[in-house]
Amino acid sequence: EAQVTQNPRYLITVTGKKLTVTCSQNMNHEYMSWYRQDPGLGLRQIYYSMNVEVTDKGDVPEGYKVSRKEKRNFPLILESPSPNQTSLYFCASSLISMNTEAFFGQGTRLTVV
Amino acid sequence: GDSVTQMEGPVTLSEEAFLTINCTYTATGYPSLFWYVQYPGEGLQLLLKATKADDKGSNKGFEATYRKETTSFHLEKGSVQVSDSAVYFCAPRGNTGKLIFGQGTTLQVKP
Repeated sequence: EAQVTQNPRYLITVTGKKLTVTCSQNMNHEYMSWYRQDPGLGLRQIYYSMNVEVTDKGDVPEGYKVSRKEKRNFPLILESPSPNQTSLYFCASSLISMNTEAFFGQGTRLTVV
Repeated sequence: GDSVTQMEGPVTLSEEAFLTINCTYTATGYPSLFWYVQYPGEGLQLLLKATKADDKGSNKGFEATYRKETTSFHLEKGSVQVSDSAVYFCAPRGNTGKLIFGQGTTLQVKP
C-alpha cells in the first residue's frame, strides 16, 4: 500500500529539548516536504527536498532542520523547540512533476510547553 | 508571491444541498490545480485535480473546472452528504513542485 508514515502522531515536549519527527515513504518519490498547519493560516511549507542530499528552505524554515540521506526518509529536526512551534505537522511526498498529486502523512500534533 | 484565496468558512449546509467553495489563485506560470480534503483527525488526501485550462476534475460527485482567464478553480457538488463534512483546500502546484495552500474551508453538513 502506498503510504507516507510519520512518527510520532502526538508529542508533548519542553522548551529547548531537541526532537525529531520521522517521515518515510514507500513510493520511490523524489520530492518530499514538510508543512505546518495552523488555524486560519492553512498549510505552510517548512522545508522541501527534490532528491537525496538536496534540501531547501520553504516559507517558514526558522527553527527547523531537515536531512535527506536516503530517498525514502525525510526527518524534521527541532534543535531547540519553542512554544511558537506548537502546531500540526505534515510530511508529504510526490513525484517531481507538477501534474502529480502529493501524498500526505497522518500528521504529528506537537505541543511545546 | 504565489497565493490562494478561498471563501471563508465554516460553511454549514443541510444534507442534499448544493455546494460551492470558491477558489482563486495567483501563481507564476501555468500551474496544475488540486483540491485536497482533510477529514477530522486525518492527513490531507487528493479529491480531484486539473492540469490544463478548461480541464474538469471530478471525484465522488465533486467537480471543479480550471478557468485560466479568471484564475479560479471553484469546487462544486450537487448534493452533499453528512460524510462530506471536512476541511477543503485548494492548491495550485507550479513547476517548482511546491503546493500553495489557502487557509482551507470547513464544511459542516447537517442531517
